[in-house]
Amino acid sequence: RKEVEQDPGPFNVPEGATVAFNCTYSNSASQSFFWYRQDCRKEPKLLMSVYSSGNEDGRFTAQLNRASQYISLLIRDSKLSDSATYLCVVNGLTDKLIFGTGTRLQVFP
Amino acid sequence: DARVTQTPRHKVTEMGQEVTMRCQPILGHNTVFWYRQTMMQGLELLAYFRNRAPLDDSGMPKDRFSAEMPDATLATLKIQPSEPRDSAVYFCASVGVADTQYFGPGTRLTVL
Repeated sequence: RKEVEQDPGPFNVPEGATVAFNCTYSNSASQSFFWYRQDCRKEPKLLMSVYSSGNEDGRFTAQLNRASQYISLLIRDSKLSDSATYLCVVNGLTDKLIFGTGTRLQVFP
Repeated sequence: DARVTQTPRHKVTEMGQEVTMRCQPILGHNTVFWYRQTMMQGLELLAYFRNRAPLDDSGMPKDRFSAEMPDATLATLKIQPSEPRDSAVYFCASVGVADTQYFGPGTRLTVL
């Protein structure tokens, strides 16, 4: 089993739609959780950290479920510019971050 | 706006040649990671350093890859000899507060 698993997608959604991604992780001792965004042929960039109580940043909401060992990302009112690959990231043993292989989102007009 | 820089941005070389990739972390960041990304494998951790000391290089093929951090402003990743299967994008990232990793733009390596 991979340490971090994501549905690769692609998720094809129209502008204005709400879309949600889930990610599961295997290490129950993980403490830090993030969502990164990666545009085609670019480097990954931090989108948001994920806190135990859940957190929101504009149209983006991240949640953590420790009992089931998954994190989620909800995007409301999708924009064309949201088209990218979203990487789920969890800290593994020591301070290494483990990256999922990403979920591709395509927002169409 | 502080950024991680990497050179070269693109490298095309022939099998058997030596390749050296360089990374300049954000000033003040003392932890540096090297990753490799391919379509099939996603982001793989190769090695990382803290305060210039290697902490983990278990993800790196030891026979041909080497990583060093000669000073706080420079990290290097070397492949000798290179092989076609090494073709990938190599990212360097330095770590700021709360484990946030800041990635460089990557070196796109093609080994023919």
